[in-house]
Amino acid sequence: ELKVEQNPLFLSMQEGKNYTIYCNYSTTSDRLYWYRQDPGKSLESLFVLLSNGAVKQEGRLMASLDTKARLSTLHITAAVHDLSATYFCAVDKGGNQFYFGTGTSLTVIP
Amino acid sequence: EPEVTQTPSHQVTQMGQEVILRCVPISNHLYFYWYRQILGQKVEFLVSFYNNEISEKSEIFDDQFSVERPDGSNFTLKIRSTKLEDSAMYFCASRRQGLGQETQYFGPGTRLLVL
Repeated sequence: ELKVEQNPLFLSMQEGKNYTIYCNYSTTSDRLYWYRQDPGKSLESLFVLLSNGAVKQEGRLMASLDTKARLSTLHITAAVHDLSATYFCAVDKGGNQFYFGTGTSLTVIP
Repeated sequence: EPEVTQTPSHQVTQMGQEVILRCVPISNHLYFYWYRQILGQKVEFLVSFYNNEISEKSEIFDDQFSVERPDGSNFTLKIRSTKLEDSAMYFCASRRQGLGQETQYFGPGTRLLVL
């Protein structure tokens, strides 16, 4: 079974600081997704990374994919309180089957 | 902006009963998905559906589960005989077909509680 691990599981950071969330997966895949989930809410798609070396940025978030290392990162720049949420990565095993990571619960402290 | 809708928002049922969860995907989307999330845990893939048939399913999606697209708009998940461990939030998602259309749009979810 494909395993997807995120770390850290919990992250508390001060406003204005930078940090990176890591997503490792155990089998070959060229497709990696990042989602945001606010408490009690649904999932919001943040990024879709489709090839080795892909980098995408939206506001204070930047995601990258290294398929050879089976690693994706979600980098947070100058965090603000509004970024507090749980972030999930998900890997497409191929043929429309998806495996989610454990999630990283981010709290940004003023 | 079009969005995925799900009904009901909450469902309470007795163990052993059948439940049907309903989803209306975005109208021009062709791929449909069901996921579940047990409280406080990660999201788990159940099934993907394309061209009126199951595309992929996970180990969770056993004979107790079925999906159907009964008309041009609805996409349903049926659990035949619910168990306590089926209590979870169930999310439906859809996406368009084609390169560059991999983004999945999630519905608000149905919270299922099995007593």
